[in-house]
Amino acid sequence: GAGVSQSPRYKVAKRGQDVALRCDPISGHVSLFWYQQALGQGPEFLTYFQNEAQLDKSGLPSDRFFAERPEGSVSTLKIQRTQQEDSAVYLCASSPGPRETQYFGPGTRLLVL
Amino acid sequence: GQQLNQSPQSMFIQEGEDVSMNCTSSSIFNTWLWYKQDPGEGPVLLIALYKAGELTSNGRLTAQFGITRKDSFLNISASIPSDVGIYFCAGQIIQGAQKLVFGQGTGLTINP
Repeated sequence: GAGVSQSPRYKVAKRGQDVALRCDPISGHVSLFWYQQALGQGPEFLTYFQNEAQLDKSGLPSDRFFAERPEGSVSTLKIQRTQQEDSAVYLCASSPGPRETQYFGPGTRLLVL
Repeated sequence: GQQLNQSPQSMFIQEGEDVSMNCTSSSIFNTWLWYKQDPGEGPVLLIALYKAGELTSNGRLTAQFGITRKDSFLNISASIPSDVGIYFCAGQIIQGAQKLVFGQGTGLTINP
């Protein structure tokens, strides 16, 4: 595919359940970002990878959030012991390199009951 | 978290009208970007601005990077139905993670 893909597109979780969200960036893109978008708000930065290195995780809201990109391509955002306040759209974006245009995926809509 | 102040929050206009929205920040940004987000999709880049004072057009869209580097505006001329959606401004600092800081969005509704 030509664009950023994310899976699943929708996820319903019971409070306390662990979830894993996947991002497939555009092939060859070095930089990968995760953002969280609450209902009616703009996206907020969570974390940034350059290849496999996680260079900034300052936006992760708690230690229940964990992201990885072990081979420098696909990335997974994991949320442990989900809470209702984790309900949001999780967006992944990739760019060819630092300071270049970020291309967004369609997002994963997470609802925690 | 840090967000930009974007206004108006929503707009209801007639087809063919011009639209203007703006974004302000207490922080300086090196780059300003304008994105459009349709329901169920991720944001799509419309215009990128890299220099203070820069005025850039993309078809019916025109955007400017404020001289102070703390604000930007987006104009849409002669609106059409496919312009409906949510528009976000975003600021970027080129040092560090190059993360984007987004405004709260402007929802645009067009009456045919």
